[in-house]
Amino acid sequence: AQTVTQSQPEMSVQEAETVTLSCTYDTSESDYYLFWYKQPPSRQMILVIRQEAYKQQNATENRFSVNFQKAAKSFSLKISDSQLGDAAMYFCAYRSGSGSARQLTFGSGTQLTVLP
Amino acid sequence: EPEVTQTPSHQVTQMGQEVILRCVPISNHLYFYWYRQILGQKVEFLVSFYNNEISEKSEIFDDQFSVERPDGSNFTLKIRSTKLEDSAMYFCASRGGLAGTDTQYFGPGTRLTVL
Repeated sequence: AQTVTQSQPEMSVQEAETVTLSCTYDTSESDYYLFWYKQPPSRQMILVIRQEAYKQQNATENRFSVNFQKAAKSFSLKISDSQLGDAAMYFCAYRSGSGSARQLTFGSGTQLTVLP
Repeated sequence: EPEVTQTPSHQVTQMGQEVILRCVPISNHLYFYWYRQILGQKVEFLVSFYNNEISEKSEIFDDQFSVERPDGSNFTLKIRSTKLEDSAMYFCASRGGLAGTDTQYFGPGTRLTVL
């Protein structure tokens, strides 16, 4: 079974600075997808960014980018120019590329605080 | 932009009672999911549903749980006889199922409190 590990329960960053959240995963599959979801205090799960394992290029969405190291099974999220609205719990998630169900396996989350 | 909706936002029930949590997935999506998040813990997969049947379920999804798509738009999760440990946030999610639409979109969740 696949596992996802987020080793940083809490992180903080100054507004306008850059922060990197870590995620590692364990799988024997070669075809899979990785995601970062944001969960603000409302507890809604909001997709931040996704990465296909077959793509070598790191995904980028505005101020959010990932550093995907397939051999090391590492998938970190970099938030540039941090804003107060970025404060939330961030979950890394894995999804197999095979099988019809394709459910997500989540890490335990990193609580990000943005300091003014 | 289409979104997944869930009702109610908060449900309080007595232990042993039945509850039904409702979800309306995005209209052209084919795969539907329920996840659970106990307060302070990670989000856990419960069940996936495709073509009017369960395609995968976790060990959490025991005989107390059932899912249904009664009318082609709603997707429900029923807990037959609630326990204290069922208190959690329940998220519905859906995805398109076609190439390039593998992302799961989540609803806002239903907070279930069992007293």
